[in-house]
Order: sequence, then C-alpha cells, then structure tokens
Amino acid sequence: GENVEQHPSTLSVQEGDSAVIKCTYSDSASNYFPWYKQELGKGPQLIIDIRSNVGEKKDQRIAVTLNKTAKHFSLHITETQPEDSAVYFCAASKRGSQGNLIFGKGTKLSVKP
Amino acid sequence: DAGVIQSPRHEVTEMGQEVTLRCKPISGHDYLFWYRQTMMRGLELLIYFNNNVPIDDSGMPEDRFSAKMPNASFSTLKIQPSEPRDSAVYFCASSVIPPPADTQYFGPGTRLTVL
Repeated sequence: GENVEQHPSTLSVQEGDSAVIKCTYSDSASNYFPWYKQELGKGPQLIIDIRSNVGEKKDQRIAVTLNKTAKHFSLHITETQPEDSAVYFCAASKRGSQGNLIFGKGTKLSVKP
Repeated sequence: DAGVIQSPRHEVTEMGQEVTLRCKPISGHDYLFWYRQTMMRGLELLIYFNNNVPIDDSGMPEDRFSAKMPNASFSTLKIQPSEPRDSAVYFCASSVIPPPADTQYFGPGTRLTVL
C-alpha cells in the first residue's frame, strides 16, 4: 500500500523567510497530492493540491511542486507570517479512490515575529 | 454552509463505558469519512461511506468500534467498551462528487479521553 513520508517534523522560521516541507510517496499509481493546514483545536483544512498531470501549482504565497519520477512533492510558503504557524500535512491518493487518502505525519511550522 | 459539524467537541469517560461520536456532513456531500489522530500514528482513516453505505472499514481497529450512517445527514462512531488507548482526536470529513471530488472537508474534531 501507499506510504507517505514527511520532513521535517518541526520547522521554525523568521517572519518573512520561506518555508519548505517535503514529502515522498511509495505508490507510483498515486496521482493526487493535497496539502492540509491544521490550526490548534481545529480540523485539517485543504490549502492547495496538485494532480499528477501538473508539475507545479501556485496560489499567492503558497506553491506546490511535484516530481513524479522521484516520487516526491513539496510545499513552499514564501514571505511567511505568524498566522502561517500551524501543522501541515501532505497526503497522497489515487484519483477515484476516495478512501485512500494517506497522510504524512505532519510538520509543525512556527513563524517567529 | 456551516461545514462539517461534530459533537461533542470533548468527551471524557471511564474505561469500559460506551462512547458515541456524532457527525453531520456538508449537505450534498456523497462521501463521509471517520479519522483518528494521535501523536504516535498521525491521521488514520477508520472507515468511509458513500451514499450512506460503508465502503471500506479496514481501518477500524477492532470490533469495539462500529460506525453507522442512517441517513445522508448523520453518522455515528461508537466505541464499546472504551479503553485508555482509544484516547485521541476523532475527525469526520465529507466530500462531494463531481470534482474536485478528492477534496475532503474536515470537521473540528472530538477530543476523546478515556480514563
């Protein structure tokens, strides 16, 4: 089955710096890669996703890149702000397999003002 | 829309007691998921439903856990009897067909503590 590894487990940056979180997956058939943000006391919320027919996707300060050959994908946050502090989860699934969203263990991002 | 609604938000119970967690998915969503989150194991899918029918319950840890979805707007996750190792945050999520079909919307979770 699919296995998703996420690094680092914790990340601390200064406000305004960039943050990068990386994930690798094992199942070459996976073709959907969402990123979720979980704030304290809340459920995970989708912030961006990418599908296997796209190498990069950007939404304002957030971008995700995908390397299917190497089976890894990354989340990039530029110009970080204190409100970006949260736990970020990557996940992978095969399109059409609604139940098989496999999550990484999460990265706790702290943005210091 | 109010989003996915879960109740209670916090539950403290004693070992051996029955626990029932409740979820109301987003109206019109065809899929409902139950997840468990712990520090050790992260987010784990327990079971999911499509149109009120359980599709995959392979993540349910053991027979003490059961889930039902009697109608499109309500689901329960029951633990009987509860054990301290069941302490975790339980999330319900729902998603919609057609695309973006893979986007799952999570509720705020129920923090369960079993003493």
